[in-house]
Amino acid sequence: RKEVEQDPGPFNVPEGATVAFNCTYSNSASQSFFWYRQDCRKEPKLLMSVYSSGNEDGRFTAQLNRASQYISLLIRDSKLSDSATYLCVVNPSNTGKLIFGQGTTLQVKP
Amino acid sequence: EPEVTQTPSHQVTQMGQEVILRCVPISNHLYFYWYRQILGQKVEFLVSFYNNEISEKSEIFDDQFSVERPDGSNFTLKIRSTKLEDSAMYFCASSARGLARYNEQFFGPGTRLTVL
Repeated sequence: RKEVEQDPGPFNVPEGATVAFNCTYSNSASQSFFWYRQDCRKEPKLLMSVYSSGNEDGRFTAQLNRASQYISLLIRDSKLSDSATYLCVVNPSNTGKLIFGQGTTLQVKP
Repeated sequence: EPEVTQTPSHQVTQMGQEVILRCVPISNHLYFYWYRQILGQKVEFLVSFYNNEISEKSEIFDDQFSVERPDGSNFTLKIRSTKLEDSAMYFCASSARGLARYNEQFFGPGTRLTVL
């Protein structure tokens, strides 16, 4: 089983749509969870940390289910500028090492 | 907004040559990292560095790789004898909190290394 697994997509959605991405991780002892965004040939940019209680930042909502080892990201009211690859990232042991998923590609169309 | 910077943006080298990739982390950060991303693949951890020592390294980070913080601002990755398979985008990252939970890491724009 991959350490961090994501559906690669692509997800093609119209502007204004709500879209959800899922991610599973294999190490049940993992401590920290993040969503990063990566534009083509650019660096990963931190979108949000994912807390056990779930958290929201504007149009973005992240959820964590430790029992199922599952992380989600919900984007509401999609914008053209949301088109990117969304990376699910796990810190398995508080050593600073981040484990990245393959990424899920989102294309928002007018 | 403070950011991580990297130079050069693109480095082309011949197989067997040494390359040094340079990074300037965010100024009040104490924890530094190198990652790489082969084209079309996921981002992979190489090494973490704190207090002038390597904290952790991956299997990729073999004897051909080394890191250094030669002064108060730069953080470098050296590849002693490059191989074709070293061709990738190399990202430097830094964080303020290191081993704490939710040590949010901020990435530089990357150096694209092409080994011919």
